[in-house]
Amino acid sequence: GQSLEQPSEVTAVEGAIVQINCTYQTSGFYGLSWYQQHDGGAPTFLSYNALDGLEETGRFSSFLSRSDSYGYLLLQELQMKDSASYFCASCYNQGGKLIFGQGTELSVKP
Amino acid sequence: DGGITQSPKYLFRKEGQNVTLSCEQNLNHDAMYWYRQDPGQGLRLIYYSQIVNDFQKGDIAEGYSVSREKKESFPLTVTSAQKNPTAFYLCASSLRDRSERGAKNIQYFGAGTRLSVL
Repeated sequence: GQSLEQPSEVTAVEGAIVQINCTYQTSGFYGLSWYQQHDGGAPTFLSYNALDGLEETGRFSSFLSRSDSYGYLLLQELQMKDSASYFCASCYNQGGKLIFGQGTELSVKP
Repeated sequence: DGGITQSPKYLFRKEGQNVTLSCEQNLNHDAMYWYRQDPGQGLRLIYYSQIVNDFQKGDIAEGYSVSREKKESFPLTVTSAQKNPTAFYLCASSLRDRSERGAKNIQYFGAGTRLSVL
């Protein structure tokens, strides 16, 4: 079936830059989304890539390489409030359901 | 304010009991989704509906049932057939983005319902 792979946890210090990778299966792939979820909270949408390249939204950027079946989320100028779980999610048909990765728990240390 | 409302926030189920989780949205979204999240895990799709009076099974539909009689409502029933129902249940809705760069399918989530077994 369709699945996504991402690291289970990442640790970084305040002010640093961190990259969270995500690989996906290509059959029927349409686009890659990123969501943030704080402990006990609801996931919130961060970014989306349908085409190769970088999408920038403030301190967060997301990148996609369709030829490598790979994307990443880049978080710059890390703040303590960025400690959360980050999920990549793929669309496999236009407007259809999302398939979520297992999530990467980011811990930001002082 | 537009959004998705899930209720109750906490729910306890006795053995053999069916319980229903409520999900209401006033975003005028066509599509709605139910996910289950276990501790330290990702979101697994239970059911989804892209239009009123129609819904499809997700990856873990066994032991669950849904209805979509109104656009704004998508209740989930956890039946007694679901033997391990303890989890965090999230409801979401989406409006397809028809931009040139493709269908984003941005999903907006409710605050969730934590279900436990007594």
